[in-house]
Amino acid sequence: KAGVTQTPRYLIKTRGQQVTLSCSPISGHRSVSWYQQTPGQGLQFLFEYFSETQRNKGNFPGRFSGRQFSNSRSEMNVSTLELGDSALYLCASSLRTDSTDTQYFGPGTRLTVL
Amino acid sequence: AQSVTQLDSHVSVSEGTPVLLRCNYSSSYSPSLFWYVQHPNKGLQLLLKYTSAATLVKGINGFEAEFKKSETSFHLTKPSAHMSDAAEYFCVVSDPAYAGNNRKLIWGLGTSLAVNP
Repeated sequence: KAGVTQTPRYLIKTRGQQVTLSCSPISGHRSVSWYQQTPGQGLQFLFEYFSETQRNKGNFPGRFSGRQFSNSRSEMNVSTLELGDSALYLCASSLRTDSTDTQYFGPGTRLTVL
Repeated sequence: AQSVTQLDSHVSVSEGTPVLLRCNYSSSYSPSLFWYVQHPNKGLQLLLKYTSAATLVKGINGFEAEFKKSETSFHLTKPSAHMSDAAEYFCVVSDPAYAGNNRKLIWGLGTSLAVNP
C-alpha cells in the first residue's frame, strides 16, 4: 500500500500571502489529521477530519482552516501568512478516530515564510 | 487534564550500550500510549503502542516499553543501541471519552537520541 503523501514538499512564501497544502491518505483511511511541528513547540495539533467532517480542532487562529473531500484527500489553508507560521506541516491518516487507533504520517511540507 | 513529559530532551549513548528514554504521563482515563520516531528529514514512524493489553509492549527495531500505571510511566528501552537509532523520539498519550469518542492526542516535546561510535 502506498503511504501518506503530501504536496508540495517545500514551499517559500512571503508575509501576507496564503498557502494551500495537500494530503493524500493511505487507501481506505478516512481520518486525516494535521500537525504543525516547530523546534520550540514540538508537534501541535491543528485539526482532524473524518468522512469530510471536522471532528477535532486544536488551538490555532482562524487563519488556519482545512477540508476533506469525498475521496478522503485533505487540504489545509493558511491565510495572511506570518513569519511564525514557518514550520513543518505534517499530515497523518488513520482508519478511525478512537484513542487506540494508529496514525500514519506523511513526510511533511516544509513552509518558509519570508 | 492530560499531559506528557519526556524527562530528557537529549540522551547520548555509545553504540552497543542500553537505551532508556523516559516518559511520564497524566490522564484521567485509561489511555493509549505510543512511541514514534523521527529520523532527520523523514516522517514520523510508529515504534510501538500500548492499548490496555500486555503492559510490556514490543516494537520495531528491538525497542520495547513498559506501561506502569502506579508510576504513570511509559519508558522506552533497547538493550543495545545501534548507530541507526540516532533520531528524535516522541511519547504520545491518547485519551478516549471526548465528544463522539474522538481521541485527543497529547505529544511530548521529544527526546533527541545520539549514538556515539
